[in-house]
Amino acid sequence: NAGVTQTPKFQVLKTGQSMTLQCAQDMNHNSMYWYRQDPGMGLRLIYYSASEGTTDKGEVPNGYNVSRLNKREFSLRLESAAPSQTSVYFCASNEGLAGPQAYFGPGTRLLVL
Amino acid sequence: AQSVTQPDIHITVSEGASLELRCNYSYGATPYLFWYVQSPGQGLQLLLKYFSGDTLVQGIKGFEAEFKRSQSSFNLRKPSVHWSDAAEYFCAVRLRGGSEKLVFGKGTKLTVNP
Repeated sequence: NAGVTQTPKFQVLKTGQSMTLQCAQDMNHNSMYWYRQDPGMGLRLIYYSASEGTTDKGEVPNGYNVSRLNKREFSLRLESAAPSQTSVYFCASNEGLAGPQAYFGPGTRLLVL
Repeated sequence: AQSVTQPDIHITVSEGASLELRCNYSYGATPYLFWYVQSPGQGLQLLLKYFSGDTLVQGIKGFEAEFKRSQSSFNLRKPSVHWSDAAEYFCAVRLRGGSEKLVFGKGTKLTVNP
């Protein structure tokens, strides 16, 4: 039981490049989330998905797209990376419908030059 | 506007001293409430949660938190801090009634002096 996994762990991009951050959970959870963490800003919600086939914007969705591919996987795509997207990205999941807690992945550290 | 506020950006305490980290929320109804801890370079770990019932909840690592509806607060406490408690602490809320949105405060960094 791996919990929540994220790939890659670390990535360097040039401005304008695109990439997809992958997230998968093996806990059969309904809800999944993408956050970014920046110093002094805490974790800010980018997008979330309450169930397979649905996605909703969070606090900072601009510049990102997401896909809930199936119940297990929730990917985050940067179509044209900008230096302002340099951050640590965390994926999380929970059961949904008042599930007990969110479980977090180990994070992806992204540097955009 | 709906928000989660952690008023203290950085707190320093001596080892063995007591600790209280503050969290206030601004939502129409009482949300689900959580405290998470993040050690340097690590992911987030749940310390404790409040859903309903007893307003004093116990968590892992000797932490507890008290929900006060009248103050819209969910403060985290520990009677005696250990050097290993040095970390960043995040308060989080999730709305009841259908939304799965989980929102975090900006965090409080705890430094523990020997």
